[in-house]
Amino acid sequence: GQQLNQSPQSMFIQEGEDVSMNCTSSSIFNTWLWYKQDPGEGPVLLIALYKAGELTSNGRLTAQFGITRKDSFLNISASIPSDVGIYFCAGQTTTLGSNYKLTFGKGTLLTVNP
Amino acid sequence: ETGVTQTPRHLVMGMTNKKSLKCEQHLGHNAMYWYKQSAKKPLELMFVYSLEERVENNSVPSRFSPECPNSSHLFLHLHTLQPEDSALYLCASSQDPGGGNTQYFGPGTRLTVL
Repeated sequence: GQQLNQSPQSMFIQEGEDVSMNCTSSSIFNTWLWYKQDPGEGPVLLIALYKAGELTSNGRLTAQFGITRKDSFLNISASIPSDVGIYFCAGQTTTLGSNYKLTFGKGTLLTVNP
Repeated sequence: ETGVTQTPRHLVMGMTNKKSLKCEQHLGHNAMYWYKQSAKKPLELMFVYSLEERVENNSVPSRFSPECPNSSHLFLHLHTLQPEDSALYLCASSQDPGGGNTQYFGPGTRLTVL
């Protein structure tokens, strides 16, 4: 089946630093999504990308849909303590019969030191 | 209430118990999903419902039984579970199951099987 490689697995940064994480796949996706999950909560959608090459921002977050449609990255600028959590990428294809399946990465655990 | 809600938030049960998880979405969506989230593993899709009809069953053991009485409610009935079934169970909804849709998650039910 499809697999997503998300890296890094974890990051420890100082408040104010910028952060970058990415996901790569051997398969093409038509949609890339980035979620954040706080402890004991469900994932919350941060950014959705629907076109190859698309660059989208949400406050201090910026994500891009790779030109090859096999990768995506998420950047967080000027990190703050509340950015702590697990960030997941998810890719979706529109293959007939499975177009509602999201494939998730294993997540990037972000720790921000004040 | 808004978004996707799940009850209970925490559940401890013995292997011989029967319990049910409930999910309700207030977004007017037509598709609902059950996911299992275990430590250090990607989110695993269990079931997909579209307009109350099950459209996906991802080889889930029969001890998990979903029910979707209407497009706003989704249940997961549990019986004779195993300790390895302990996990965070997440419900999600989307406008429809088609490509390009975005899934919104509930806060999850933390299940512990003794």
